[in-house]
Amino acid sequence: SYELTQTPSVSVSPGQTASITCSGDKLGDKYVCWYQQKPGQSPVLVIYQDSKRPSGIPERFSGSNSGNTATLTISGTQAMDEADYYCQAWDSSIWVFGGGTKLTVL
Amino acid sequence: QITLKESGPTLMKPTQTLTLTCTFSGFALNTSGVGVGWIRQPPGKALEWLAVIYWDDDKRYSPSLKSRLTVTKDTSKNQVVLTMTNMDPVETATYYCARRSNWGEGAFDIWGQGTMVTVSS
Repeated sequence: SYELTQTPSVSVSPGQTASITCSGDKLGDKYVCWYQQKPGQSPVLVIYQDSKRPSGIPERFSGSNSGNTATLTISGTQAMDEADYYCQAWDSSIWVFGGGTKLTVL
Repeated sequence: QITLKESGPTLMKPTQTLTLTCTFSGFALNTSGVGVGWIRQPPGKALEWLAVIYWDDDKRYSPSLKSRLTVTKDTSKNQVVLTMTNMDPVETATYYCARRSNWGEGAFDIWGQGTMVTVSS
């Protein structure tokens, strides 16, 4: 079965750039999206189709996907960005989620 | 405004069959490319995809759970129903339904609030 691997936790200082990675075999051949989930809330889509932002998502969120790794980048990280982030891959038949990364802003 | 809301039992016993209903508004499930998916999340753990049903009644299931899952839709009621047989305590989780948009290439763009299901004897 296909698996996506994420670093369990990432820490960043306010105003700095946070990079969250997601790895999987030939991940670059699949579409990747990213979700933000704050405690007690439902996930929110922040990046789809590797690098596109849904309406209402701040420009500081960006994404890339190549080879075996997809990356979510948050530029100028704010305290409100502290959350769990999940990558998700799709290849027209199945959806797979990564294990999640807890982003701490300190 | 697009909304989805899950409903179903909050407590059930092992081996029972779980039936969850997703009632949605603000979009039509007969629009080309649109689907509704089910995703679950055990307490403190990661998201796990379960199933998707498309506007044309095409269905996709998690390979590891396929034998136990059934997803159906009632377009006239704006509802999608997920059944999962032979529930186990380890499947205690929050169950979400979410819209699979027709523009996001597999992304779930709008999620319901989730419903917590506890499986315990």
